[in-house]
Amino acid sequence: GAVVSQHPSRVICKSGTSVKIECRSLDFQATTMFWYRQFPKQSLMLMATSNEGSKATYEQGVEKDKFLINHASLTLSTLTVTSAHPEDSSFYICSARTGFEQYFGPGTRLTVT
Amino acid sequence: GEDVEQSLFLSVREGDSSVINCTYTDSSSTYLYWYKQEPGAGLQLLTYIFSNMDMKQDQRLTVLLNKKDKHLSLRIADTQTGDSAIYFCAESMGGNSGGYQKVTFGTGTKLQVIP
Repeated sequence: GAVVSQHPSRVICKSGTSVKIECRSLDFQATTMFWYRQFPKQSLMLMATSNEGSKATYEQGVEKDKFLINHASLTLSTLTVTSAHPEDSSFYICSARTGFEQYFGPGTRLTVT
Repeated sequence: GEDVEQSLFLSVREGDSSVINCTYTDSSSTYLYWYKQEPGAGLQLLTYIFSNMDMKQDQRLTVLLNKKDKHLSLRIADTQTGDSAIYFCAESMGGNSGGYQKVTFGTGTKLQVIP
């Protein structure tokens, strides 16, 4: 199956700093990538949809100035959490679509201290 | 709006069959998926079914779709301890002109396999 990677897998940062998470589709090109957030023991919450070469589409309630998404190429999308706060601590998962199949990255555990 | 529901927990003995159920509300769903999530990991696509199908079988996995009742199930035959995980069903609806299809996930069912 298709492989999606994320980097880093785990990051700890201080409150007020910014963190960038990379998502790559390794063996396919993805015109659309998705960013999800998952709280403990909960389902995935879609944050935004990222289309290559255009602005991301954010879900209601997600601050676009806080969660910056860049989809620079058909294999790379980045999520930057700006001025992180402890409430931003979560598990962030990216996903890439090929056809009607959607594949997920392994996730990034962000802890803001 | 879209709503996908699952029972939270299922416990089965190793070797038995597991049946995980899911209900959804949007009748315009095009594709329905089953994903597996192991602790601390991302989601693994297990299988999917088109809305015009009733059943799909893939090795130990059988997906049944009752479109009239908006009910989806995943049956795992000969359940193994390695099947212990959280299972998410998801639905995808028709996309916009850009081809984007929003996927809505269920709440997840934690499957515990007892040796």
